Amino acid sequence: EIVLTQSPGTLSLSPGERATLSCRASQTVDSRFLGWYQQKPGQAPSLLIFGTSNRATGIPDRFSGSGSGTDFTLSISRLEPEDFAVYYCQQYGSLPRTFGQGTKLEIK
Amino acid sequence: QITLKESGPTLVKPTQTLTLTCTFSGFSLSTSGVNVGWIRQPPGKALEWLALIYWDDDKSYSPSLERRLTITKDTSKNQVVLTFTNMDPVDTATYYCVHSTWSSAFGYWGQGTLVTVSS
Repeated sequence: EIVLTQSPGTLSLSPGERATLSCRASQTVDSRFLGWYQQKPGQAPSLLIFGTSNRATGIPDRFSGSGSGTDFTLSISRLEPEDFAVYYCQQYGSLPRTFGQGTKLEIK
Repeated sequence: QITLKESGPTLVKPTQTLTLTCTFSGFSLSTSGVNVGWIRQPPGKALEWLALIYWDDDKSYSPSLERRLTITKDTSKNQVVLTFTNMDPVDTATYYCVHSTWSSAFGYWGQGTLVTVSS
């Protein structure tokens, strides 16, 4: 089973700042099968990024993903108030499909 | 437009069996490459993948929960059913139904249903 470890657990930033979220895998993940989800309070998660760097439909270009092998990153270039949420990475190239434990992005 | 909706009991007693139904529209589970899965999230905690059923009726389960889980589909009703035996208070969670194709990310999610396990 591929274990995904996200860091930091909580990230406190101000609107307009840049956010960098990390996802580290216990073994190599094919970059085609690494995704990121955003979850706002009381809502289901929604897909942000698939295939490491591809934005899902309707996702603004301030969101970007990068990485390879065991290290992946989600970056948000200029935080908007609506970006403060919990973010999860997920690998979907091997079974069982696994999620990271999440990074909470909160307003400083 | 793809939609999924979970239904089932909101409260179950310890040791009981939970049966959840995902009713979907906008796609057919008989189409090659289509999958429907279940994910859960205990209150305030992370997402946990549970099971996946494929268009060809193949199935995959979380290794840690496989003994307790069964996933089935009724293509004619556009439904996927998850049964979870021997429920325990630690199984209290919001249960989500999700859609994917081939080995894709989960692009569509149901709204989730909160299941509480308590006597």
